[in-house]
Amino acid sequence: EVVLTQSPTTLSLSPGERATLSCRASQSENMYLYLAWYQQKPGQAPRLLIYETSNRAAGVPVRFSGSGSGTDFTLTISRLEPEDFAVYYCQQRSSRAPLTFGGGTKVEIK
Amino acid sequence: QVHLQESGPGLVKPSGTLSVTCAVSGGSITSSNWWSWVRQTPGQGLEWIGEIYHSGSLKYNPSLESRVTISVDKSTNQISLKLTSVTAADTAVYYCARVGTMFGLPMDVWGQGTTVTVSS
Repeated sequence: EVVLTQSPTTLSLSPGERATLSCRASQSENMYLYLAWYQQKPGQAPRLLIYETSNRAAGVPVRFSGSGSGTDFTLTISRLEPEDFAVYYCQQRSSRAPLTFGGGTKVEIK
Repeated sequence: QVHLQESGPGLVKPSGTLSVTCAVSGGSITSSNWWSWVRQTPGQGLEWIGEIYHSGSLKYNPSLESRVTISVDKSTNQISLKLTSVTAADTAVYYCARVGTMFGLPMDVWGQGTTVTVSS
């Protein structure tokens, strides 16, 4: 199983600041990981933000961007808007292991 | 626009069977999409349960495979999840999700989820 470790667990920032969220995979040897990011607000289902590491899903604002390769991936929110305070999950799909999610990063208002 | 709506029993007794249904509207279950089940336990993150294609092809999470059955009903445009021998650890919000057709096959449409509590 590919374990995804997200850091930090909690990120305390102010609106307008830049948020950088990390997702590290436990293995990628002989395996290509497709990495996605989701946003979840309280009482709501997850919402797809980024797929295949860096592609924004339909309707996702340009302030959200994804990057990375191998085992290290990053979600960046360039300037936080009030509606961006939420929990963010990374998720991997590979040909050799079951689909898994990271433990999540909560972006909270400082 | 595809919409997913889960429905479930709310409460299941320990050792019983959990059954949840997902109704797909605004699109056909026989489209070129896989359909997934994901659960979220209280205070915990997200766990993938498995997914199905309308042809009947299946993928299960090995950690749950011995207890899970996912099926598709083309006549009613619904997907179903059954989980046997449940315990309190199976208490969760159960989501169905459409697997997108873009690279990486992310889950691009989600239902609102249904809460299932396992308790006597």
